[in-house]
Amino acid sequence: DSGVTQTPKHLITATGQRVTLRCSPRSGDLSVYWYQQSLDQGLQFLIQYYNGEERAKGNILERFSAQQFPDLHSELNLSSLELGDSALYFCASSAPPGAANEKLFFGSGTQLSVL
Amino acid sequence: QKEVEQDPGPLSVPEGAIVSLNCTYSNSAFQYFMWYRQYSRKGPELLMYTYSSGNKEDGRFTAQVDKSSKYISLFIRDSQPSDSATYLCAMSGYNTDKLIFGTGTRLQVFP
Repeated sequence: DSGVTQTPKHLITATGQRVTLRCSPRSGDLSVYWYQQSLDQGLQFLIQYYNGEERAKGNILERFSAQQFPDLHSELNLSSLELGDSALYFCASSAPPGAANEKLFFGSGTQLSVL
Repeated sequence: QKEVEQDPGPLSVPEGAIVSLNCTYSNSAFQYFMWYRQYSRKGPELLMYTYSSGNKEDGRFTAQVDKSSKYISLFIRDSQPSDSATYLCAMSGYNTDKLIFGTGTRLQVFP
């Protein structure tokens, strides 16, 4: 168990809908990362938050947004869903920068199916 | 061209074999190199972490980095069926938290 909790484990929805994925980082970790994993693209970095502030942005679509709350949990919001958004979404957390920050601890993921 | 290239496999080996997994990369700024193991429908877990060039050994696993060739390897000795998983290489530069992952190599170790 990595200590990173993601909910829900599975999500089935229709095109055009909006969903929210939730992540609780490991105790003491201030950084939260969101990744998307699909069969053809591998693990793609979406966005990172550090202590409530956006720190880095990757290949995140404008239809997607995220935030990190004062209790450090994070949410990834996906809207106007398309079939191609079907993927496994992972959250990861790490210790503060400068403290082996490259070591990410991943949650078990949310499998999103858009029908 | 992707920043990190990794052969997707699958790689199928008998139990006890030595496995070699590799990644190449194009960004010379990468300083930190990692290997993650991912079992089916689970999150990746950190297996090995190395900084700059050289070798690092941990039990049956050895990570090797050759920065001059932009090439990293993971060797698994005495492979076990429980090693069957997808192995992802990952790397990042200095002063950045952003990890770039390879697409992963699926390994199957049969008894």
